This record gives sequence, C-alpha cells and structure tokens, in this order.
Amino acid sequence: DQQVKQNSPSLSVQEGRISILNCDYTNSMFDYFLWYKKYPAEGPTFLISISSIKDKNEDGRFTVFLNKSAKHLSLHIVPSQPGDSAVYFCAAAIMNSGYSTLTFGKGTMLLVSP
Amino acid sequence: DSGVTQTPKHLITATGQRVTLRCSPRSGDLSVYWYQQSLDQGLQFLIQYYNGEERAKGNILERFSAQQFPDLHSELNLSSLELGDSALYFCASSGSAREAYNEQFFGPGTRLTVL
Repeated sequence: DQQVKQNSPSLSVQEGRISILNCDYTNSMFDYFLWYKKYPAEGPTFLISISSIKDKNEDGRFTVFLNKSAKHLSLHIVPSQPGDSAVYFCAAAIMNSGYSTLTFGKGTMLLVSP
Repeated sequence: DSGVTQTPKHLITATGQRVTLRCSPRSGDLSVYWYQQSLDQGLQFLIQYYNGEERAKGNILERFSAQQFPDLHSELNLSSLELGDSALYFCASSGSAREAYNEQFFGPGTRLTVL
C-alpha cells in the first residue's frame, strides 16, 4: 500500500512558466515532508523540506506547500528552467517516532522545454 | 558529488547467485541507509545502520542482509538472486540517526541486473 503517492508520472512545462508537482499521503502520522531531485545516472539530491507545523516553505525558486487536512503537498518551481528537468521524489517521515525513516513516492519526471 | 561512494556501478549476475554491494558514507556521517528502486516502484527503504548497529528495517527480504563496519562503510548482501531483484540500489548517509532532520546524501547507485 503506497503511503506516499505521486499520481502524475510526468509533467511537461515551458521554460519560464511555473511547474507544480503534487504529492498525496495517506498516513496522518507523517509530520515531515521532503522533496528530492534525481538526474539520470545520479543519486537523488535533497531539494526542500517542510515540517507539519508549517504550511509553506520557500527556498529561491522552490516553494513547498502543505495542506494537512487534505494530506496533500505540492512543489512549485518558478520560473522553471531546462536544468530543472529531472525526476522529483516526494518523501515523508514520522519524526516523533524517534528514529524515523523516509517513505518515498514513485516520482514525477519533469521536462522543461526551452 | 554527494561524497557517498558506491561500488560497483554495474553488476550483472545470474539467478541463484550472491552479490555484495558496498557503500562508503560521507566523511563523519554515522548513519547509512539502503534503498531499492525497481522499474515500477519508487525508492523502497530497505535498512538503516547507525554507528555499526541496525536501527530500522523496511521492506527488506530475508535473502538480503546488511552490515556496517567499524570504519562506517556498509555492505548489502543479496543472495539466492531472482529476476525480480534487478534494480538500482542506492546507499545514503546522514550525520545522525534522526535522519529526516538531517539531509540524506545519496550515492550514485549500483545497477544490478539478474539474468
């Protein structure tokens, strides 16, 4: 049973426009969420995170929004650049369990065209 | 470069065989995690070690085992290999056991092909 779901396997966006990647989760115990980016032939790299006590976290062109009541988070990239083309993984953790592990979604492949 | 190294990059073997994947964490990191990424799945957490001790277990098969050595490098042993074990295996490291507060740094992965 997938506890973290990324229902869009792929997304195409034009350079300069906004990219919105979505993620849903089912486990209400999750209290920390992360986004990782992965280029081909490389391991995932951390992008941005958000704690469940917040509803928004911003880092440059990247903003993550969290809607706890809907169990939904989204990653906004503005403006999108061709170098953003990669697979984006959403991940969730239960921090108050002490030693938490990450549960990942299946990823969304983002293609930003010039 | 994340600072996490994994060897080998590619591994091709036959069903029923046993292989060992190796991971060296970033300098100073005490936690090592192993993940499996197969074609139709996201990153599946397998197991975590912290300073030589097993800390958490995920969807790891009984045919698989891991250990972390005193120098903090880790090995993932896969035995009685089946076709379905073909996947990318990633190792990640972080500074502490409370890893979600500390970014996990991923290695480039080992691609295992079982024929």
